[in-house]
Amino acid sequence: NAGVTQTPKFQVLKTGQSMTLQCAQDMNHEYMSWYRQDPGMGLRLIHYSVGAGITDQGEVPNGYNVSRSTTEDFPLRLLSAAPSQTSVYFCASRGRDGYGYTFGSGTRLTVV
Amino acid sequence: QQQVKQSPQSLIVQKGGIPIINCAYENTAFDYFPWYQQFPGKGPALLIAIRPDVSEKKEGRFTISFNKSAKQFSLHIMDSQPGDSATYFCAASTAAGNKLTFGGGTRVLVKP
Repeated sequence: NAGVTQTPKFQVLKTGQSMTLQCAQDMNHEYMSWYRQDPGMGLRLIHYSVGAGITDQGEVPNGYNVSRSTTEDFPLRLLSAAPSQTSVYFCASRGRDGYGYTFGSGTRLTVV
Repeated sequence: QQQVKQSPQSLIVQKGGIPIINCAYENTAFDYFPWYQQFPGKGPALLIAIRPDVSEKKEGRFTISFNKSAKQFSLHIMDSQPGDSATYFCAASTAAGNKLTFGGGTRVLVKP
């Protein structure tokens, strides 16, 4: 099915560990973004990309890295996990001529 | 600094009632205002969106009202149904549309 695929769905990390959250879309969308969702705070933008090879920081980028080597994939790396990064992470994409973002189903991350 | 403020945080209505969710923004450069609907365990899904050149937009039972001078917009759910029970997020972006700024979310419960 066409859409945004995120893996894994759930993850538990120990403080200091690193990991990569995967995001792939098969809609040939140029724009991709990573958000984190915390209770009462809505969704906050971590990093975004307007095309392969182009990324930029969002509202809460500290502790996260991204790269965009292909149009389809936009992985999010946690360099050294901290309990403050416990959250639900969403990847989203949209085409250049569209306005509505399509979201993945999320990754629930717990850092202990 | 929260650029999009959403209220109330939660709302309970009887079936057939009209939940109303309000959002206020600060950045006058915003010119695209979408609403997203999110069910538990799922990613947000675009529900309806409006541009500031219109004061109202309807799609099915969902209506957005927009007041540019007051920098406010709202979502009305007409003839609400139990299946409308979800969390609703307002958002805003500039013309480039690369970065969505979300409100804090409103959890709506429609009782049968």
